[in-house]
Amino acid sequence: KAGVTQTPRYLIKTRGQQVTLSCSPISGHRSVSWYQQTPGQGLQFLFEYFSETQRNKGNFPGRFSGRQFSNSRSEMNVSTLELGDSALYLCASSLATRRPQGYTFGSGTRLTVV
Amino acid sequence: AQSVSQHNHHVILSEAASLELGCNYSYGGTVNLFWYVQYPGQHLQLLLKYFSGDPLVKGIKGFEAEFIKSKFSFNLRKPSVQWSDTAEYFCAVNAPIYNNNDMRFGAGTRLTVKP
Repeated sequence: KAGVTQTPRYLIKTRGQQVTLSCSPISGHRSVSWYQQTPGQGLQFLFEYFSETQRNKGNFPGRFSGRQFSNSRSEMNVSTLELGDSALYLCASSLATRRPQGYTFGSGTRLTVV
Repeated sequence: AQSVSQHNHHVILSEAASLELGCNYSYGGTVNLFWYVQYPGQHLQLLLKYFSGDPLVKGIKGFEAEFIKSKFSFNLRKPSVQWSDTAEYFCAVNAPIYNNNDMRFGAGTRLTVKP
């Protein structure tokens, strides 16, 4: 079965712009989580969506937002980009059963803010 | 504050050496524990997971991990590493008290295996 698909793979934006990243989970996976990965901070949890609802949110400013569609595809948006937003953004999907089965990660979108 | 600690930032081993990577967490109560691996240029992959039962968990590629509740630890081990094990390893904890899929990761340990 197809894995988690993230688009685009690479993105270069300038400060102040906004960006939208997309994630298509594995078919049947209803939970989608987003992480920011940087060399200094490691993997930082952004938020998780389940059935089109944000279930949990990490400690990121309101410039970071997301949504999930009825087909479980998810998007995350970053407005008013800052240089420090440069990172690899990872999407992970899971079955969201009562017992977590662990994530399946996508390859990520590498965002560079200049 | 709840946290996941991986004390070794970078480990360098020769092939055939034994490996143990430390992971400690500070969550109280029931936890689910995971190890992920990220090979150079590839996405994160699940190595193994622990929910309950036998505290010694076996994963893919000869890796295993032991859950020691009294020490809040979940160390990753491999008896004999190979050059192909060069990668970054992440320990992760899920605390169901929050919700089913909120997973917090350690900072990662980079493993370099010299041929």
